[in-house]
Amino acid sequence: DVKVTQSSRYLVKRTGEKVFLECVQDMDHENMFWYRQDPGLGLRLIYFSYDVKMKEKGDIPEGYSVSREKKERFSLILESASTNQTSMYLCASTSQEYTTDTQYFGPGTRLTVL
Amino acid sequence: GQNIDQPTEMTATEGAIVQINCTYQTSGFNGLFWYQQHAGEAPTFLSYNVLDGLEEKGRFSSFLSRSKGYSYLLLKELQMKDSASYLCALMDSNYQLIWGAGTKLIIKP
Repeated sequence: DVKVTQSSRYLVKRTGEKVFLECVQDMDHENMFWYRQDPGLGLRLIYFSYDVKMKEKGDIPEGYSVSREKKERFSLILESASTNQTSMYLCASTSQEYTTDTQYFGPGTRLTVL
Repeated sequence: GQNIDQPTEMTATEGAIVQINCTYQTSGFNGLFWYQQHAGEAPTFLSYNVLDGLEEKGRFSSFLSRSKGYSYLLLKELQMKDSASYLCALMDSNYQLIWGAGTKLIIKP
């Protein structure tokens, strides 16, 4: 079974702090994604990566950056957290670029910025 | 542009059948996914349709009409554990997923 893990289930940070969210997958997937999920809105893509050291902006990249130094690990970075970044963050992976394969999700990190 | 609509919330009775609709507009199409998401948990894959018609998988079935921009998820013999949000997601021409806001399904005894 594919396993996608995220470093924290719940996180509370202060405005202006730098925040790191880690995601690890164990199935040698090429593609990895970071989404945020807010009530009443669909999942919104922040960034994705189709290979090590490669990254592409999604629909809402502002205020975020990412890092993919190893194939299995994709990190989301909030350079200076703000209250409007309070959200559920979901990481996902899939096997190939340009594929209709299903995305496998991690359990999510609920981030609260005070 | 692209747009996906699905009802915000539905209520059904244990043992009954419920149909959750999803309508979409898109210029490019590589299929439509349904995911289930229990409260506080990750979405999990339910079904994928790329051709018109009905795909049956146990108690769950998914239907697609590309000409009408319409899909539905049909859940039969509802169980309390089916209480969850059901997410419709469209795969566009760039193989990116465009997500609906989800339908919260409440099952009553």
